[in-house]
Amino acid sequence: GQQLNQSPQSMFIQEGEDVSMNCTSSSIFNTWLWYKQDPGEGPVLLIALYKAGELTSNGRLTAQFGITRKDSFLNISASIPSDVGIYFCAGLNNDMRFGAGTRLTVKP
Amino acid sequence: SAVISQKPSRDICQRGTSLTIQCQVDSQVTMMFWYRQQPGQSLTLIATANQGSEATYESGFVIDKFPISRPNLTFSTLTVSNMSPEDSSIYLCSVAVTGNTEAFFGQGTRLTVV
Repeated sequence: GQQLNQSPQSMFIQEGEDVSMNCTSSSIFNTWLWYKQDPGEGPVLLIALYKAGELTSNGRLTAQFGITRKDSFLNISASIPSDVGIYFCAGLNNDMRFGAGTRLTVKP
Repeated sequence: SAVISQKPSRDICQRGTSLTIQCQVDSQVTMMFWYRQQPGQSLTLIATANQGSEATYESGFVIDKFPISRPNLTFSTLTVSNMSPEDSSIYLCSVAVTGNTEAFFGQGTRLTVV
């Protein structure tokens, strides 16, 4: 099946720093999605991207859909302790595939 | 968006038994998916639940082990059959809305097989 390569696998940053993570795929997706998952919870949708080249913001989050439709990045600016969690990228066509996740730790 | 209710939220089951997980959505949706997530891992697609027809299973997952029902556009069930400790995992229901442009998750079912 389609594979999504997400990096980095984990990040340890200081509060206030910016964060960047990305996903690449060998296949084209119609929609790219970014999720955050807290322990014991289901993933929560952060940002959805629909058009190649699209840049979308949601508060301190910014994500872009690559021109080739095979990649996306997520930036978090001015991180805060509640940003801690696992972030997943996902590509959606007729089904939805996930990256391996980026585990973010924010030190106060 | 869509509000998804998944039951049970957790269960501890004896090996050899079966557990049926329910997923109820507050609106009609075209696509419903079932995922498995091992601790600390990503989400692996088990199958796409199709309304009115058999589910579409991913490689490594079979209907005899994970039978799925989708009687209408708001409800689906996943059964984990003849469980073994290796089936201990989190099982998640997801739905895609508005022309497959967004997808949302239930809170998951944490299954422990002893």
